[in-house]
Amino acid sequence: GAGVSQSPRYKVAKRGQDVALRCDPISGHVSLFWYQQALGQGPEFLTYFQNEAQLDKSGLPSDRFFAERPEGSVSTLKIQRTQQEDSAVYLCASSLAQGNTEAFFGQGTRLTVV
Amino acid sequence: AQSVTQLDSQVPVFEEAPVELRCNYSSSVSVYLFWYVQYPNQGLQLLLKYLSGSTLVESINGFEAEFNKSQTSFHLRKPSVHISDTAEYFCAVGKVRGAQKLVFGQGTRLTINP
Repeated sequence: GAGVSQSPRYKVAKRGQDVALRCDPISGHVSLFWYQQALGQGPEFLTYFQNEAQLDKSGLPSDRFFAERPEGSVSTLKIQRTQQEDSAVYLCASSLAQGNTEAFFGQGTRLTVV
Repeated sequence: AQSVTQLDSQVPVFEEAPVELRCNYSSSVSVYLFWYVQYPNQGLQLLLKYLSGSTLVESINGFEAEFNKSQTSFHLRKPSVHISDTAEYFCAVGKVRGAQKLVFGQGTRLTINP
């Protein structure tokens, strides 16, 4: 597709369950970002990849959060032992190159932990 | 570190009235400035951006924003709004030097009443 694609769009997880969220960036985009958007808040940075290298993971809230982009295209955000405070919309964005000034966002995955 | 403050969480206006959505930022380094729009059930879309040059930037759908360095502001304006402008608007900053991860404000919900 032409845009950033995220799946699933909605995910309900029981507390303690592991989840995996997928992001397909725009083809050829080098940079990939994950953001977390809690209800009524702006997006907050989680982690950044340049190709397959994870260059910044300073925003990951705990060691239960893990992201990967093994072949420099598709990325997966994994959350282990989910907790209620993990409930949020997880947004993926990609841009053409490092320092490129326009990021394109996917529609997000809404995670609800019950 | 950077921070962004959007002073109004909600702004209701009548159709065809002017509107201003306020954004102030704080940063110890030079930043780029962005406004993103999020329509219901959709992802974030870039509305306009300030990188350098003229401090007044415009979007294709009639919005404009002015970068004011002395007041550290980047307010968004439109002289006459339409029902279709109903959305959540996010102001964001990104370092000039860096991987362009964005710091967002909390968002302003613009509601247009007929």
